[in-house]
Amino acid sequence: AQSVAQPEDQVNVAEGNPLTVKCTYSVSGNPYLFWYVQYPNRGLQFLLKYITGDNLVKGSYGFEAEFNKSQTSFHLKKPSALVSDSALYFCAVRDPISSGSARQLTFGSGTQLTVLP
Amino acid sequence: DGGITQSPKYLFRKEGQNVTLSCEQNLNHDAMYWYRQDPGQGLRLIYYSQIVNDFQKGDIAEGYSVSREKKESFPLTVTSAQKNPTAFYLCASSMQVGQPQHFGDGTRLSIL
Repeated sequence: AQSVAQPEDQVNVAEGNPLTVKCTYSVSGNPYLFWYVQYPNRGLQFLLKYITGDNLVKGSYGFEAEFNKSQTSFHLKKPSALVSDSALYFCAVRDPISSGSARQLTFGSGTQLTVLP
Repeated sequence: DGGITQSPKYLFRKEGQNVTLSCEQNLNHDAMYWYRQDPGQGLRLIYYSQIVNDFQKGDIAEGYSVSREKKESFPLTVTSAQKNPTAFYLCASSMQVGQPQHFGDGTRLSIL
């Protein structure tokens, strides 16, 4: 079975400072990993994905994430936070060797990021 | 612009009533999904469809039903058997299963 954990419900950071939103995962095979962002009363927007290749993945709006297989982590990062980055962030994992509904994405519980001006 | 349209944005249900949530996409995607979002629980998969005329149960299918008669449409019916239907419902689609999903803006369902 696949699972994903976002250990922090809330992350606060000052504008202009670097931000990190943490994600760890558990799969039986090599993971497909995703980050999404959700603004209030809206759907999720895709930020970036890791399938294979370079461990550092660059995505939309200046975000990037680093895949670390030994630590089973896929933390989301941005060098300089903006107030407009304040939103709910979801990490998701998929185990491509699973079958049935287990092949679908499993989402973390979300991390509310607040960037303080 | 291509995208996913969910309607209505807000929906109220009376006890014992079935309600249907609409989801339409013009992205020409084969796969479509329904999720339920509750505070602090992330998204949970209700049903998914990999192709027209085919759909599969997700993790929390009890009390819900779907149909996939057309590629662009994947309506979700919340039946009276769903005892706790109050939630934010999100529809998504992807070119194929496992590809990044595109989401609609959701329908918020409440019980009167």
